[in-house]
Amino acid sequence: QSVLTQPPSASGAPGQRVTISCSGSISNIGSNVVNWYHQLPGAAPKLLIYSSNQRPSGVPDRFSGSKSGTSASLAISGLQSEDEADYYCASWDDSLTGWVFGGGTKLTVL
Amino acid sequence: QVQLVESGGGVVQSGRSLRLSCAASGFTFSSYAMHWVRQAPGKGLEWVALVSYDESDTYYADSVKGRFTISRDTSKNTLFLQMNSLRPEDTAIYYCARAGGRGPYYYFEYWGQGTLVTVSS
Repeated sequence: QSVLTQPPSASGAPGQRVTISCSGSISNIGSNVVNWYHQLPGAAPKLLIYSSNQRPSGVPDRFSGSKSGTSASLAISGLQSEDEADYYCASWDDSLTGWVFGGGTKLTVL
Repeated sequence: QVQLVESGGGVVQSGRSLRLSCAASGFTFSSYAMHWVRQAPGKGLEWVALVSYDESDTYYADSVKGRFTISRDTSKNTLFLQMNSLRPEDTAIYYCARAGGRGPYYYFEYWGQGTLVTVSS
């Protein structure tokens, strides 16, 4: 059971917009920023969004992040086939004094 | 460019020890916190441990506290994870990751390709 809660799956057609939620508590998302990672099959994870809504260089602006209270969201617009991957949220947890991840969301592009 | 190359994985019996290494290059190793993150087969990501840029602070997941030790050798640009009293549930790909800054609160900016640890019962 992960500390952060994500839906196990999400899907959308090419060109559509998809959002993935990440729910936590006051000790993690409620007090700290959220980072998002994606992982293509058989590959290492990669940073997608940091500080809740910042994109590293090289990440398309189709990807955006937001945070409100104890929840965060990742939005992907203009869905492309290469977006098919697993997506994970993560945050520092003040009570556990460590990092916590969501269980991951498998995105399927129909 | 930033490169992180893990090594030291393999098959080990339950209760035994293993030491993982992560060779870092392409950045000033002594300026960044470093992490170990693992992924059990077919499962999600689990943060394992982190060490601050100067090794003054270390943090561990409850699942490994007291059994695993993270350390770094700045002279060799290498991160280590000493794993003792291994259990079958420690079976996973272990990734080394560089933080976005010196302290514990930075995101995992770069990741290695991982090394597989299999603990047999």
